[in-house]
Amino acid sequence: AQSVTQLDSQVPVFEEAPVELRCNYSSSVSVYLFWYVQYPNQGLQLLLKYLSGSTLVESINGFEAEFNKSQTSFHLRKPSVHISDTAEYFCAVSYDSNYQLIWGAGTKLIIKP
Amino acid sequence: GAGVSQSPSNKVTEKGKDVELRCDPISGHTALYWYRQRLGQGLEFLIYFQGNSAPDKSGLPSDRFSAERTGESVSTLTIQRTQQEDSAVYLCASSTDYEQYFGPGTRLTVT
Repeated sequence: AQSVTQLDSQVPVFEEAPVELRCNYSSSVSVYLFWYVQYPNQGLQLLLKYLSGSTLVESINGFEAEFNKSQTSFHLRKPSVHISDTAEYFCAVSYDSNYQLIWGAGTKLIIKP
Repeated sequence: GAGVSQSPSNKVTEKGKDVELRCDPISGHTALYWYRQRLGQGLEFLIYFQGNSAPDKSGLPSDRFSAERTGESVSTLTIQRTQQEDSAVYLCASSTDYEQYFGPGTRLTVT
């Protein structure tokens, strides 16, 4: 069965330090890749997506993710985190054309002052 | 424009009672999804509606769960004979493509 793995349930990091949240998926066929973010007491919202073209995609708040087909990964990175980045981050993958997403279990990003 | 709305925002019910949760998707969105998010866990897919096609019910955990959608508008998720393990946040999302727009969720507590 197709699956999405987020290896870390929690990632604690000091403010202004870099961070990487890992996401791996189970198949190397055509995929569409997403990171969603859930801030405390808020709903889920799209952070960034890869549909085609450049394998490096960026969000408006400094996050980036790179589609690596050979490693079936779509890790999320930020060079310097801020306290406002505290949230839970979900990786999601679509394998087909009916737009359904398969979701990872989520990674809680904890920013230490 | 208006986003996805869900009602009620919170629901406390006694074990064994039926509950109905409502989702109003973004106008024009042909796809609608229901998910369950238990405390500290990820999203669990429940059901997916796409236009007039038969819904994908593969995620419904038991026959106590059912959902309906009227055309491309409102959807209701019904849980019959609620159990304590049904306590969770129930999320609705709608889309026209790969980007899903989520509602704020309904927090269901079964006592």
